[in-house]
Amino acid sequence: DAGVTQSPTHLIKTRGQQVTLRCSPKSGHDTVSWYQQALGQGPQFIFQYYEEEERQRGNFPDRFSGHQFPNYSSELNVNALLLGDSALYLCASSLVLADYEQYFGPGTRLTVT
Amino acid sequence: AQTVTQSQPEMSVQEAETVTLSCTYDTSENNYYLFWYKQPPSRQMILVIRQEAYKQQNATENRFSVNFQKAAKSFSLKISDSQLGDTAMYFCAFMSSYGGANSKLTFGKGITLSVRP
Repeated sequence: DAGVTQSPTHLIKTRGQQVTLRCSPKSGHDTVSWYQQALGQGPQFIFQYYEEEERQRGNFPDRFSGHQFPNYSSELNVNALLLGDSALYLCASSLVLADYEQYFGPGTRLTVT
Repeated sequence: AQTVTQSQPEMSVQEAETVTLSCTYDTSENNYYLFWYKQPPSRQMILVIRQEAYKQQNATENRFSVNFQKAAKSFSLKISDSQLGDTAMYFCAFMSSYGGANSKLTFGKGITLSVRP
């Protein structure tokens, strides 16, 4: 049973560019949440997707957008990258009826230069 | 809005000894979940233990146990018989139990735990 997977593992982008990160949830899970973790800090909630819709959103600008596909996988898109977007991006999946059990992926390390 | 505070940035413990990590939180809700997550250098965030606020009994998972003081809004993690593999960052986290649009985790800043051989 595969856990949560994320791709790519590492990514280097230049300021102003756009990036797409991908997440496949744990088998059987239907809800995907995204978190941003700056170096030495705790993760910050970006948004959550369920039934292909954004269900809730944290305090992040509109440059951060997402999508969930019919197979429950999800993408996080960030436009007009800033140096401050450099972080570890974590995806977590859960079942909507047991959303207190969130399983995390290994993350994507994004570096913006 | 909920907040989670971890005031100790780093701790160190000798292998086989016991260590306690502190966490306080603030919320106006009566029902919620509290968590301790472990993040080793591999970056994978792993759930260590979960406590449901309506349960008075403190949660335990093998060598890990919590001291949940609801009135004081305190939630500490005790690691017994510390092992080298316990070396990691530990995060305290809060989630509303109302679910739906409230099922997001709010994390503290974390504490770096080092286990010395």
